[in-house]
Amino acid sequence: DAKTTQPTSMDCAEGRAANLPCNHSTISGNEYVYWYRQIHSQGPQYIIHGLKNNETNEMASLIITEDRKSSTLILPHATLRDTAVYYCIARFMDAGNMLTFGGGTRLMVKP
Amino acid sequence: GAVVSQHPSWVICKSGTSVKIECRSLDFQATTMFWYRQFPKQSLMLMATSNEGSKATYEQGVEKDKFLINHASLTLSTLTVTSAHPEDSSFYICSAIGAGNQPQHFGDGTRLSIL
Repeated sequence: DAKTTQPTSMDCAEGRAANLPCNHSTISGNEYVYWYRQIHSQGPQYIIHGLKNNETNEMASLIITEDRKSSTLILPHATLRDTAVYYCIARFMDAGNMLTFGGGTRLMVKP
Repeated sequence: GAVVSQHPSWVICKSGTSVKIECRSLDFQATTMFWYRQFPKQSLMLMATSNEGSKATYEQGVEKDKFLINHASLTLSTLTVTSAHPEDSSFYICSAIGAGNQPQHFGDGTRLSIL
């Protein structure tokens, strides 16, 4: 799986959009970009994933650059409950492939 | 959405005892389950990959005789920490993935404390 690089930490004001960047410059053509988050003392929670096109669901939006070398996870209206560590992972869409977690971005949503 | 249940949530036991952790996929059949370990302020580290009906594949440095994994059905995998010692204290997390283009879903983890 391609290596991903994320900022160690970010702050966001409650109610504002949180934009979390991820670099994956060595991603291959059939590797997907996955986002998970881990709230303290819980297991990781799946957020969203995409290949080429931008994706949106009830939790977030995923913007992938045209060259696929980077992406941004957008939480449109951050709440205090969105405080967590966010992991960006590149992996092949194959049931046998595990997820390799990097350090992630610690997002702190502040009132 | 897909739900993975992990039990127990936390356990405290004496050194030398064995501890079994269960991981169940509640609403889908899990072709593959994964076991991770997470130490404080660190990221998740994969311990082993488990496919139903076959032996688990362990990551380098993980003792297969100490961390016994059984994946007897498509909805249940168990991790048994045998003869646990204080250094085995950690947060153990399982995940499961079904057939098709499904993302991996995680349990809520088991916090294991060995005294």
